[in-house]
Amino acid sequence: DVKVTQSSRYLVKRTGEKVFLECVQDMDHENMFWYRQDPGLGLRLIYFSYDVKMKEKGDIPEGYSVSREKKERFSLILESASTNQTSMYLCASSFAGLAERAGELFFGEGSRLTVL
Amino acid sequence: AQSVSQHNHHVILSEAASLELGCNYSYGGTVNLFWYVQYPGQHLQLLLKYFSGDPLVKGIKGFEAEFIKSKFSFNLRKPSVQWSDTAEYFCAVNAPGAGSYQLTFGKGTKLSVIP
Repeated sequence: DVKVTQSSRYLVKRTGEKVFLECVQDMDHENMFWYRQDPGLGLRLIYFSYDVKMKEKGDIPEGYSVSREKKERFSLILESASTNQTSMYLCASSFAGLAERAGELFFGEGSRLTVL
Repeated sequence: AQSVSQHNHHVILSEAASLELGCNYSYGGTVNLFWYVQYPGQHLQLLLKYFSGDPLVKGIKGFEAEFIKSKFSFNLRKPSVQWSDTAEYFCAVNAPGAGSYQLTFGKGTKLSVIP
């Protein structure tokens, strides 16, 4: 069964702390994504990666960075957490080989981050 | 860049009522269209998708969606909802012709089904 695993379901951090959110997929997918989900705003893309060491900014990259050192792992980093980054963070992956599969995302269960 | 608009924020229905959730997108080229669903406490999962061919697409659990190109719409329908359909539904668009791996989501529609 397809699996995207996010390391932490719930985190509470203080303003200014550095935060790491980790995501691992076991499907050998080329593409990986980080979204944040907020009530009434839907899902907004933060960053995505289409290959190891490659990254592209999404719609809301400010305040975030990412790392992809291995194909199966994609990390989201908040260098200095702020209260407006309190949110649900969703990791996803997808297969890159066929145009008809583009957009078929497999999601993790989410990491709910609270910044105090 | 593409965008997606979902018309309803929250829909409340009784069991056995018919459902239609509206979705419009803005992009002039070829698109793939999706509906994703998030049941309470669960991860987002694909409900159905349109890639090409028959504009009426059938998905899991009796859902279907119709792609109307002239209206830039991809509305989700189900003839008779059940309590277990209570969830949040997200419409999404991908523009593969633009070389994009990205999926742009709408803001979501919460569906509450009353037994």
